[in-house]
Amino acid sequence: SQKIEQNSEALNIQEGKTATLTCNYTNYSPAYLQWYRQDPGRGPVFLLLIRENEKEKRKERLKVTFDTTLKQSLFHITASQPADSATYLCALEGGSSNTGKLIFGQGTTLQVKP
Amino acid sequence: NAGVTQTPKFRILKIGQSMTLQCTQDMNHNYMYWYRQDPGMGLKLIYYSVGAGITDKGEVPNGYNVSRSTTEDFPLRLELAAPSQTSVYFCASSSGTQYFGPGTRLLVL
Repeated sequence: SQKIEQNSEALNIQEGKTATLTCNYTNYSPAYLQWYRQDPGRGPVFLLLIRENEKEKRKERLKVTFDTTLKQSLFHITASQPADSATYLCALEGGSSNTGKLIFGQGTTLQVKP
Repeated sequence: NAGVTQTPKFRILKIGQSMTLQCTQDMNHNYMYWYRQDPGMGLKLIYYSVGAGITDKGEVPNGYNVSRSTTEDFPLRLELAAPSQTSVYFCASSSGTQYFGPGTRLLVL
């Protein structure tokens, strides 16, 4: 069955450094992958979408890569700030056409220390 | 534009009670979803709908029911609450990317 894995251990980094979060998947070839941010007590918020034919996508300080051979996506936050502290979820297209379903990873918590 | 709204924010239920979690979106999205999120876990899809009158089961549908009589509303029904249904419930609507509501925290005792 389809499986998504994100590092369950929290990632602690110093302000100003680049944070890199990993999303691995197996038994699947998704047409696209999405990244969401979730703050405590709130619903997830969409950040970026990358399609299978795109190697890299950028939005301000965020960068996502998608390696369909390795079955892996990397999510980078450059010049990280304490306000970037949150849980980041990756999600894969759910495999059924025209439903918009997503399969979510369990998320990685990022803590940026000043 | 309120986006996706959910009520109530928090509820305590006794085992065997029933309740309806409300979800409304004002973005005219056809696709809507219900998820549950347990501590430290990702989102598990309960039910989804691709349009008014059309619903289907997700990954964890047992113990829940849904209806979709309008584009805007997608209520989730718990008929006989069990402690295993203690969780945070999120509703979402989609135009390709998903927009989430603020969640309903449910405690079943």
